[in-house]
Amino acid sequence: DAGVTQSPTHLIKTRGQQVTLRCSPKSGHDTVSWYQQALGQGPQFIFQYYEEEERQRGNFPDRFSGHQFPNYSSELNVNALLLGDSALYLCASSWLNEQFFGPGTRLTVL
Amino acid sequence: QQPVQSPQAVILREGEDAVINCSSSKALYSVHWYRQKHGEAPVFLMILLKGGEQKGHEKISASFNEKKQQSSLYLTASQLSYSGTYFCGTENTGNQFYFGTGTSLTVIP
Repeated sequence: DAGVTQSPTHLIKTRGQQVTLRCSPKSGHDTVSWYQQALGQGPQFIFQYYEEEERQRGNFPDRFSGHQFPNYSSELNVNALLLGDSALYLCASSWLNEQFFGPGTRLTVL
Repeated sequence: QQPVQSPQAVILREGEDAVINCSSSKALYSVHWYRQKHGEAPVFLMILLKGGEQKGHEKISASFNEKKQQSSLYLTASQLSYSGTYFCGTENTGNQFYFGTGTSLTVIP
């Protein structure tokens, strides 16, 4: 079992650009959640997808959007990037309340 | 709505015990505990679903007091590998998930 995988590992963008991050959940997991973790802070919940629908959303603007595919993999899209969007973006898949995190994508906005 | 953890940081010698507390101002449906080492993703430790539930894994255990909206993580006979930042995670009845403020734990020889 490969566990939760994310791509890319690192990404550098400039302000105003758009970015897409990808996540493949652990085998058998049907729920995917996305988190933003700024340096020195705890992860902040962005949203959760289940059965290809956004089930819950944290306090993030509409610039943050996502998608879940029939194979349960997921994408996180961020439009009009701001310097403050620089962070580690974590994807977590879950089954029966146990949540497993991927290694994350480090996004730097210049 | 972010749960508050205490202490913020603790330093232990190998073999000592520690308690990390997590407190929420909102009603809780469940409490998760995670450990994150520097530069790595959080690792799931355990989940408590019911008030009063206690769980344990080797020398790490936790309790959940639903009425007080609090949870505590107990680390017994700490090992060097226990070092890291511990986060509680709470899920409210609206299925929104919040990580706590974090507790940095350092175990020294």
